Amino acid sequence: NAGVTQTPKFQVLKTGQSMTLQCAQDMNHNSMYWYRQDPGMGLRLIYYSASEGTTDKGEVPNGYNVSRLNKREFSLRLESAAPSQTSVYFCASSLRTGSRETQYFGPGTRLLVL
Amino acid sequence: GENVEQHPSTLSVQEGDSAVIKCTYSDSASNYFPWYKQELGKRPQLIIDIRSNVGEKKDQRIAVTLNKTAKHFSLHITETQPEDSAVYFCAASQGVADGLTFGKGTHLIIQP
Repeated sequence: NAGVTQTPKFQVLKTGQSMTLQCAQDMNHNSMYWYRQDPGMGLRLIYYSASEGTTDKGEVPNGYNVSRLNKREFSLRLESAAPSQTSVYFCASSLRTGSRETQYFGPGTRLLVL
Repeated sequence: GENVEQHPSTLSVQEGDSAVIKCTYSDSASNYFPWYKQELGKRPQLIIDIRSNVGEKKDQRIAVTLNKTAKHFSLHITETQPEDSAVYFCAASQGVADGLTFGKGTHLIIQP
């Protein structure tokens, strides 16, 4: 199993450009998430999808949209990138089994907006 | 929404000594408290977690304690080793399907 995969690994955008960050998991998990990580800020939840067909806003959703394409894939779109969106983006997925609810993270996408 | 405070932001200990990282949370409905370790340039990885119906949990050199009344939980690492050097994050959630609220992290430095 590859676990959680993300593409691209690194991207440079100009202000106003758009792009989509891709995430896929092969663990048959129901829930998927997008976080951003900025220096000294920890990880902050952007959007999440508790199950296929549902999406909800997290702590910092402004400037982003998401699509839960199917159970495996959850994409994050920046319609008009801004320098404030320079960050490392992590996708994660989880499955609740009994009392265990482990959230697994992908390797991250480093985004630089100029 | 939930707010998680984490202290200290940096912790330096001698190899072999113990390290303690503390977190407080604001939402009494939170019932799941994981701890993640993140090495430089890598993804966060779960090291231990605790649910609100348990006061303490231990896994070899790592333990977590939870005080629901005071709304705080702590990570304890004993007999620290060089490979324990990393950034540690606490988090809280009402249920993982809702996503996690993270603290800002503690940079743990193990001095040889």
